Amino acid sequence: NAGVTQTPKFQVLKTGQSMTLQCAQDMNHNSMYWYRQDPGMGLRLIYYSASEGTTDKGEVPNGYNVSRLNKREFSLRLESAAPSQTSVYFCASSESYNTEAFFGQGTRLTVV
Amino acid sequence: QKEVEQNSGPLSVPEGAIASLNCTYSDRGSQSFFWYRQYSGKSPELIMFIYSNGDKEDGRFTAQLNKASQYVSLLIRDSQPSDSATYLCAVIFGRGGADGLTFGKGTHLIIQP
Repeated sequence: NAGVTQTPKFQVLKTGQSMTLQCAQDMNHNSMYWYRQDPGMGLRLIYYSASEGTTDKGEVPNGYNVSRLNKREFSLRLESAAPSQTSVYFCASSESYNTEAFFGQGTRLTVV
Repeated sequence: QKEVEQNSGPLSVPEGAIASLNCTYSDRGSQSFFWYRQYSGKSPELIMFIYSNGDKEDGRFTAQLNKASQYVSLLIRDSQPSDSATYLCAVIFGRGGADGLTFGKGTHLIIQP
C-alpha cells in the first residue's frame, strides 16, 4: 500500500541544468498537487491537476512545468534550475478538489 | 486574498497536559479544514479533518471549528513527547483546485518530559 511515491528523494543540480521530479499515486485519486516548502514560507502550491490532461497554476509556478499523462502520475519539470529553486518538493493527491490530501515523502533539491 | 494564519511558536507544553493549537483563515465561505502533523525532515501527515461547526474527536485529538469567527483549533490531550512536531492547518478556499488547499506556516510544538 504505497500511497504517493516520489522520486528521487535527494538531488543536487548545477544552475541551468534540467530535471524532472516524478510522482505516482495508487489510490485512484483524481486531484494531484505539487508543493514546495521553504523555511519560514510554509507549503506553497506550484501546480494543481484536477484530472488527466488538466493542470492549473498555483501560487508559485514560474520556472516549472508539469505533466499529467494519466490518472496515476504527475511530474514536475525544472527546465533551467536556479538557486532560488532549492527547496523541498512534495507531491500530494486527493480524491477530489475538496477532500483531504495525502503526501509523498518529498524530494530535497539543492541547486548550486 | 487567501490567508491561513498560525502562531509559529514554539509552543512548549508539559508532558500529560493539553496542547492547544489555533488557526484563523480569511474566507468565511470555506467549507473544509484539515490538521497535519509534520516531523522534522518528513512529509505532512493528516491528523484530522472537520467540515461542520463544533467539535470532532479522534482519540487524544479534538478539532474545533467556528465558522462565524473563522477559527479552527486542535487540542491534543495527554500530550506525549512523540507529539513534538510542527502542526499545519490547511483550508480549502472557494471551489478548491489551484485556489483551494492552502496551508498555514505551522506551529512548532514541543512537549517537555
